[in-house]
Formats: sequence, C-alpha cells, structure tokens
Amino acid sequence: DTAVSQTPKYLVTQMGNDKSIKCEQNLGHDTMYWYKQDSKKFLKIMFSYNNKELIINETVPNRFSPKSPDKAHLNLHINSLELGDSAVYFCASSATPDMGEKLFFGSGTQLSVL
Amino acid sequence: DQQVKQNSPSLSVQEGRISILNCDYTNSMFDYFLWYKKYPAEGPTFLISISSIKDKNEDGRFTVFLNKSAKHLSLHIVPSQPGDSAVYFCAASATGANNLFFGTGTRLTVIP
Repeated sequence: DTAVSQTPKYLVTQMGNDKSIKCEQNLGHDTMYWYKQDSKKFLKIMFSYNNKELIINETVPNRFSPKSPDKAHLNLHINSLELGDSAVYFCASSATPDMGEKLFFGSGTQLSVL
Repeated sequence: DQQVKQNSPSLSVQEGRISILNCDYTNSMFDYFLWYKKYPAEGPTFLISISSIKDKNEDGRFTVFLNKSAKHLSLHIVPSQPGDSAVYFCAASATGANNLFFGTGTRLTVIP
C-alpha cells in the first residue's frame, strides 16, 4: 500500500499546454510538499502546505498553482508549460512542517515539455 | 547558490567493504542533517539523520559523522551490500527556517 502516490508517472506534452499532477498520502501527515529535480539533479522545494494552508512558496512562477482540497491531497497545476519546466516533480509529506522532519516521497512525475 | 555540496557524483565499492559518502555545507546556521537514498524510478527514502549537538549517529550498518568546524558530514556504510547501490542525497536545514537544502547526490555502486 503506497504511502505517497502521485500520478501520472510520465507526462509528455507540448509547450503552452496546461497540465496537472495529483498527489495523495495515506500516512495521516499534516504537511505536504512539491519538490522539483532539475536536469542538474538539484532537488528544490517549490511549495509546502500544512493542514491545507500554504506555508512555503519558493519563488515559483505564477504558472504553477498548488491546490490542497484536504490534508491528504496536494495537486499541482501548471499553466502555459515551457521547455524549462521539464524536470522530475516529487510530492512528499511529513508529520509536521519542521524542516528537520523526515520526508516521505512519492515516486516522481517525469515531465517532458516538447 | 549551492549550500549543500556532494562533490563526488559516483562511487564504486566492493561488496563487504566500507562505503564513505561525503557532503559539505556552507551555511553555519544548519543544525540538522539528513541522508536519503534513491533507487531508479522511485522517490528518495529517508535513511538516517543527525543533529548538530551530536557528532555521530549510528543505525545498523549506517553511521553518519558530523564535523561542524569543517562543515562536513559523511555517511559510512559497512559492510556494503549490492542492495545499497543507489543515489544518496545529503540534506540540511536550520531551525526555524522554511527550507531543506539538498545536495546533488552521489551514485553508489556496490560490486558483488
């Protein structure tokens, strides 16, 4: 039973399109995140939600909009996709928003923008 | 600005020997450090952590050492097993901060 699941696993799309990535966790955690791993393998936080409220937004373009309908779900919607958005996006959760708390990651979504 | 660095992109070790993965950081405010392991097509999984009040933390075959004066930490795996072959990420955070900084990872290959 997957603890943090995200879909789709692969996403290939054209520039200018709008796409969404879904994430769900069944760990009962209060905090969820989106991380981006770029071509240089840097894992960087994009957003963090605690109990459905946005607590971290790390200078991500407005084209990226997270949505948390409840504390078990954090979806990522991306408008007007650009070539530079190609990356692997990881959803994660933790019991608390403490940055030292261990993270549980999903398996990632490989986004390729053509 | 890369605040956490893993300067060795890859490391190969014979099965049964010790693997030593290194990590350096630049921010002296970092006080909590974590190691994650990542297999292909999977997300990173937590391995071990250490607080800055300690200089060593051990969990089975895995030991993390912290040298605050050198701003350096290392992960020791002994004995190494083929199943340890993965990418290892070092991460660091500061109390009260709202970010966790990751290194770019070291790919460990344990040769049977």
